[in-house]
Amino acid sequence: DTAVSQTPKYLVTQMGNDKSIKCEQNLGHDTMYWYKQDSKKFLKIMFSYNNKELIINETVPNRFSPKSPDKAHLNLHINSLELGDSAVYFCASSHTAGQSTDTQYFGPGTRLTVL
Amino acid sequence: AQTVTQSQPEMSVQEAETVTLSCTYDTSESNYYLFWYKQPPSRQMILVIRQEAYKQQNATENRFSVNFQKAAKSFSLKISDSQLGDTAMYFCASVYNNNDMRFGAGTRLTVKP
Repeated sequence: DTAVSQTPKYLVTQMGNDKSIKCEQNLGHDTMYWYKQDSKKFLKIMFSYNNKELIINETVPNRFSPKSPDKAHLNLHINSLELGDSAVYFCASSHTAGQSTDTQYFGPGTRLTVL
Repeated sequence: AQTVTQSQPEMSVQEAETVTLSCTYDTSESNYYLFWYKQPPSRQMILVIRQEAYKQQNATENRFSVNFQKAAKSFSLKISDSQLGDTAMYFCASVYNNNDMRFGAGTRLTVKP
């Protein structure tokens, strides 16, 4: 019973390609996130999204776009992949109640390698 | 803006001993939350412990406890009776709303037999 799942776990692709990473949570959470972890293990938030609002980290290139078909899914689309996009991408989810902050639960990560 | 600093890139401890990982943060918010996450070689991010800033009592989860010093903006993690399975990267994080969670650079902890 995986709480937050991501597919694929590994993704190897050529520069210039377009790829997607899928994320699903079965926790009934209403907020989902995407994080990027670089080769030095530094974690940085890319997006947070709930039914009402998408918050984009201003440092994220517009080649990256989150798409949410429903509350349980937040997929990450990446266009025109570049070498610097190689990283581990984590999806996470949490419950939001007003301004209250609940714990974020993470998926297993997707290691993206751009050749 | 919030910042989180972990000043110890690497640490090691003997099995069964106690180790403390340091974390300091900087925020102008009055209501915020602090977390420690563990990332073993499997790369899964696992919640270790959580502390609400409005609570004075330090959080405890079995062998894991925190020393939360709000005035000093310090949030250290103490691991007692260290086990080999505690070997991992440990990340300190702060968040004041659900849209802005910030992580420290991480501390790589090795538990030696």
